[in-house]
Amino acid sequence: SQQGEEDPQALSIQEGENATMNCSYKTSINNLQWYRQNSGRGLVHLILIRSNEREKHSGRLRVTLDTSKKSSSLLITASRAADTASYFCATEANSGGSNYKLTFGKGTLLTVNP
Amino acid sequence: EAGVAQSPRYKIIEKRQSVAFWCNPISGHATLYWYQQILGQGPKLLIQFQNNGVVDDSQLPKDRFSAERLKGVDSTLKIQPAKLEDSAVYLCASSRYGVSTDTQYFGPGTRLTVL
Repeated sequence: SQQGEEDPQALSIQEGENATMNCSYKTSINNLQWYRQNSGRGLVHLILIRSNEREKHSGRLRVTLDTSKKSSSLLITASRAADTASYFCATEANSGGSNYKLTFGKGTLLTVNP
Repeated sequence: EAGVAQSPRYKIIEKRQSVAFWCNPISGHATLYWYQQILGQGPKLLIQFQNNGVVDDSQLPKDRFSAERLKGVDSTLKIQPAKLEDSAVYLCASSRYGVSTDTQYFGPGTRLTVL
């Protein structure tokens, strides 16, 4: 079952603009991660935010997490054509004992036009 | 450092046939995962290995899917017999320890088409 749900499903912007994607989830989590997938490089981990963190930055990426609303957002600043990809949020939760499991959403397809 | 290797990259079979996928994780990674990604959806975990033991196979359709990780390194995922709804990309991933916050590294995937 899908835990995270991204919004919007698709987003088209011009190069240089900012892109914001949102993720909502249903159950309590240990952390939330964002991944990027394109045909060239496959599925790649971008950033992880722990459940006790509210905001995290990595280069042009900014992630926020609101556990009270069970939601997260990914902001990509000064977008480039190379940022064109599908972006997935994935929630990590304990699946029993010391095991942890990632559950992915359906993704947001971002198109950055030159 | 070499990434996760998978083969074949593409496979086309008829329904009721069998198929096998192979994965070689990053050297030294104890945890290996198989995911199924249907077109338009995110990856779904099928099975997770810690070394050569299964820690989670709750979403593996065990009547037709099987997986093994002999010697705690390479892994194979088999489907027998395949159904039309098995058409998907099968992704293999590995992580160093499999603990919370451990980064998963994904292979390029095998695209399976069942006719």
